[in-house]
Amino acid sequence: AQSVTQLDSQVPVFEEAPVELRCNYSSSVSVYLFWYVQYPNQGLQLLLKYLSGSTLVKGINGFEAEFNKSQTSFHLRKPSVHISDTAEYFCAVQYNFNKFYFGSGTKLNVKP
Amino acid sequence: DSGVTQTPKHLITATGQRVTLRCSPRSGDLSVYWYQQSLDQGLQFLIQYYNGEERAKGNILERFSAQQFPDLHSELNLSSLELGDSALYFCASSSPAGGRPTDTQYFGPGTRLTVL
Repeated sequence: AQSVTQLDSQVPVFEEAPVELRCNYSSSVSVYLFWYVQYPNQGLQLLLKYLSGSTLVKGINGFEAEFNKSQTSFHLRKPSVHISDTAEYFCAVQYNFNKFYFGSGTKLNVKP
Repeated sequence: DSGVTQTPKHLITATGQRVTLRCSPRSGDLSVYWYQQSLDQGLQFLIQYYNGEERAKGNILERFSAQQFPDLHSELNLSSLELGDSALYFCASSSPAGGRPTDTQYFGPGTRLTVL
């Protein structure tokens, strides 16, 4: 069965430190990958997406992610986080031009 | 502000009842998606409509149904409500052409449904 795994439910980090949020998916011939951010009491906002081409994808707010087909991973990174990055982050995968599957989310807590 | 509006913001009802959630997409967007976010199930894709027709179906229960009207707004109908249906229901819309699933989706603020 297709699935998306976000290994860390919570990630605490100090301001200006680097962060990596992990996402693994079950393998498929055709897969599109997304990262969304959800700020408190708001809807989701697309950070970045991988459809094809370069495996390093740059998104908004200084985030980037790398598609690794051999490890079936799509980890999200930021070299220096800000307090304003405190939010919940969701990895999503679309298989075979069809349904979306979301991970369980990772709460990023940036401390001063 | 994504440009997607959802009403109502909050809804409290009892088990066995029926409710309708409404979504207005961004101006010009033809695709509408519905999602459910709950503590138990996480974030789940329910259904997608494109220009009035069902395009893709996810984990939508038979008690739930949706439609998209000629003016492109959409409604999600939830019937025979159970306690477990308490969740945040999001609507999203995507860019005007094609209705491809990889088009960027813009999410509304959600409707919080509480079933007592």
